[in-house]
Amino acid sequence: KNQVEQSPQSLIILEGKNCTLQCNYTVSPFSNLRWYKQDTGRGPVSLTIMTFSENTKSNGRYTATLDADTKQSSLHITASQLSDSASYICVPSSGGYNKLIFGAGTRLAVHP
Amino acid sequence: KAGVTQTPRYLIKTRGQQVTLSCSPISGHRSVSWYQQTPGQGLQFLFEYFSETQRNKGNFPGRFSGRQFSNSRSEMNVSTLELGDSALYLCASSLGTGTYNSPLHFGNGTRLTVT
Repeated sequence: KNQVEQSPQSLIILEGKNCTLQCNYTVSPFSNLRWYKQDTGRGPVSLTIMTFSENTKSNGRYTATLDADTKQSSLHITASQLSDSASYICVPSSGGYNKLIFGAGTRLAVHP
Repeated sequence: KAGVTQTPRYLIKTRGQQVTLSCSPISGHRSVSWYQQTPGQGLQFLFEYFSETQRNKGNFPGRFSGRQFSNSRSEMNVSTLELGDSALYLCASSLGTGTYNSPLHFGNGTRLTVT
């Protein structure tokens, strides 16, 4: 069964600190893995998309890594800002939009 | 470019009623997909439309239906509303149904409350 687990469920960090969010998945066949940021009351915003041949991809202060062999991905946030407070959702996929498996998300709170 | 626009932002309906939600995709995007987001189940795929045709459908009952117009705008309809249909309904657009490695652009959703 296709599944995705994200950890931790929630995280509090101080502004300026770094953090890493984890995603383990069991999706087969594997097509790509996406990370989304969702602010409260808003729609998700795409951060990165990686195919199985990509190990790392950056988007500003966000860096995603992918290990397709161990079926693990991580999202590293550098020098956190208050605006990083949001839910971060890991979404592995085996193809079309009906094959997207949405994780429950990690809720990040950045405190001053 | 304008983003994905969903209307209305909030809706309150009574059990048994029906509701129609609207989504205007980013200009040039021909694929529109719909998702339900609840605290317990997270985001779940409802259906995808491309060139006015439903291409994919998720595991939702037939009370959930949709359509897409020639200008790529899409509507979603839920009939005979149940309390469990209370959720944030999100629509997303993308360039095309075959571009599965391209990002989905989400609207800010319609918050539906069924009482």
